[in-house]
Amino acid sequence: NAGVTQTPKFQVLKTGQSMTLQCAQDMNHEYMSWYRQDPGMGLRLIHYSVGAGITDQGEVPNGYNVSRSTTEDFPLRLLSAAPSQTSVYFCASSYSTVTEAFFGQGTRLTVV
Amino acid sequence: AQKITQTQPGMFVQEKEAVTLDCTYDTSDPSYGLFWYKQPSSGEMIFLIYQGSYDQQNATEGRYSLNFQKARKSANLVISASQLGDSAMYFCAMREGEDSSYKLIFGSGTRLLVRP
Repeated sequence: NAGVTQTPKFQVLKTGQSMTLQCAQDMNHEYMSWYRQDPGMGLRLIHYSVGAGITDQGEVPNGYNVSRSTTEDFPLRLLSAAPSQTSVYFCASSYSTVTEAFFGQGTRLTVV
Repeated sequence: AQKITQTQPGMFVQEKEAVTLDCTYDTSDPSYGLFWYKQPSSGEMIFLIYQGSYDQQNATEGRYSLNFQKARKSANLVISASQLGDSAMYFCAMREGEDSSYKLIFGSGTRLLVRP
């Protein structure tokens, strides 16, 4: 049972490039979300999904897109990378609203 | 206004002693959930404990307990018998409402260092 798998673990982008951070879970969880963590701060919600075909914005959605075509996968797309998007990104999934979220290992993204 | 406040950026505790990490929250929703996560230096997020707003008793999980004071809107984490492996960042988080969303709001964290 792999849990929540994020790829890649590390990425360096040039300003203006686009890329997709992958997230997959094998626990059949309906709830999935993306967070970013900046130094000295807690995690901030970017986008979330309550099931396949349903997504919504979190606290800091600008510059990011998501889609949820299957229960298992929840990719995060950076449309045109900016240095302000340098951060560690976490994907999480949960069975219900009253159970814990399981987090992936994180993706460290640097935009130069 | 901050929804989750952790006022202790860093704390020290002696090995085998107990330590309390503070967390206060702000919500007008009667239904909410409070979570604590541990983030060691390796970076992963590890779930520790959960308290629902309607739970009558304080949550406990092994050496972790949550001191839930609803009127004061505080949800402090108590770690008993600290171990060297407890050295990490600790985050308090809140989920508001009974709707079908799952939006966790995190505090800024407390870095705990356990001294041998």
